[in-house]
Amino acid sequence: AQTVTQSQPEMSVQEAETVTLSCTYDTSESDYYLFWYKQPPSRQMILVIRQEAYKQQNATENRFSVNFQKAAKSFSLKISDSQLGDAAMYFCAYRRVGAGSYQLTFGKGTKLSVIP
Amino acid sequence: DGGITQSPKYLFRKEGQNVTLSCEQNLNHDAMYWYRQDPGQGLRLIYYSQIVNDFQKGDIAEGYSVSREKKESFPLTVTSAQKNPTAFYLCASSFSSSTDTQYFGPGTRLTVL
Repeated sequence: AQTVTQSQPEMSVQEAETVTLSCTYDTSESDYYLFWYKQPPSRQMILVIRQEAYKQQNATENRFSVNFQKAAKSFSLKISDSQLGDAAMYFCAYRRVGAGSYQLTFGKGTKLSVIP
Repeated sequence: DGGITQSPKYLFRKEGQNVTLSCEQNLNHDAMYWYRQDPGQGLRLIYYSQIVNDFQKGDIAEGYSVSREKKESFPLTVTSAQKNPTAFYLCASSFSSSTDTQYFGPGTRLTVL
C-alpha cells in the first residue's frame, strides 16, 4: 500500500522569506501523480500544485514550486516570498495512475505559520 | 459559478440517529468522492463513484452509505453503525480520467451529541 509521510508537523516562516515543506512517499508504481493541497482556516482544500511522475521538470505555480526526486521518493514544496495568506495546513497527496486509481492518499499535514 | 457545494456547514446528531450530508457539483465531473478528516490526520477515503448508479468502498466505508442517482449529486449517510462519526467531511469531484485532479467542497462538520 502507498504511504505518504510529512515529517514536519509544524513550521514557521517570516513574511517575505522562503520555506520548504517536506514530503516522502512509498510506492512500487512507476507512474503516479503527486499533489500539494492547502487547507486554510476555512478548511476547504485548495490545490496548490501537481506533479506527474513521468515528467522530469519540477512543477511551478507562481510562488510555489516543488523539488521532485523520484529515486528518493521525495516531493518537497517551496514557498517563496511568503505571505500572511499562506498560513494554513499543507497536505501532500499521492495518486497512482491506471484503472480504478481514483484514490488520493494523504499525509498528515504540516501546519505553516507566517510571522509578520 | 461552477463549483462544489456541501450542506449543511455544521450538523449535530444524537447517538443512534442516521444523518445525510449533501454534496452537489455543477462542474460536469463524472467522479465524486467522500473523505473524512480527523484532528491531526490527513483525509481518508470513505466512498467514491466514477459514474451514475455506481460506487465503490474506500478505506473506511463501515457505517456509511452513499447513492449516486444523478451526476451532480453524491449524498453521504452516516448511519448509527458508525462508531465514531464526529469528524469533518469533505466531498470532492473530478473528471473521469485517473489523471484528473480532484477539487474539494467546503466541508461539513458533524458532531454527535
